[in-house]
Amino acid sequence: EPEVTQTPSHQVTQMGQEVILRCVPISNHLYFYWYRQILGQKVEFLVSFYNNEISEKSEIFDDQFSVERPDGSNFTLKIRSTKLEDSAMYFCASSEARQGGPYEQYFGPGTRLTVT
Amino acid sequence: DQQVKQNSPSLSVQEGRISILNCDYTNSMFDYFLWYKKYPAEGPTFLISISSIKDKNEDGRFTVFLNKSAKHLSLHIVPSQPGDSAVYFCAVRGNFNKFYFGSGTKLNVKP
Repeated sequence: EPEVTQTPSHQVTQMGQEVILRCVPISNHLYFYWYRQILGQKVEFLVSFYNNEISEKSEIFDDQFSVERPDGSNFTLKIRSTKLEDSAMYFCASSEARQGGPYEQYFGPGTRLTVT
Repeated sequence: DQQVKQNSPSLSVQEGRISILNCDYTNSMFDYFLWYKKYPAEGPTFLISISSIKDKNEDGRFTVFLNKSAKHLSLHIVPSQPGDSAVYFCAVRGNFNKFYFGSGTKLNVKP
């Protein structure tokens, strides 16, 4: 069964450093997402991406964040200058793009980002 | 930003009985509602969904009910099994495929 993969599984970085989290969505999916979950809190939407551009983003997704689909398979989240509060589990997800649904998303296993 | 609320952080149910998980939302414009299950150290897994034009959707042991007038969503699991023990998130679809998740309910099914 096709699945979303994410690398690395755990990333430790120092405050102020840039990190790139990588995802390979399911191959025939056209919508891609990033979410984060701070320990013990809810899953928070960061951004959705369709047709090579951002379709929606949350207030969390400020200028420090960017997303890219550099080739036909990868989808990346870059944090330019990490802060301690960026420590969280980051989930990538993908879904089909059919008008009217279904809209279920398939999530990757997540990347745990620890900023020290 | 409390678009979606799951007011019960945890629920404990005996194996074989019904589990009922609840979710409330604020915006009547949301058009699609989903339930996800999450095990520790894994990503959420899609469980079942319902469009705003329906009030019930059933898939095996799982049934989702939507009460649009009350802005309330519930998930029924019958019969509950120990393997159902996980955190359950409801999610709603807003504009442009922006999704809002609830805070989750941890279900414990006791053998």
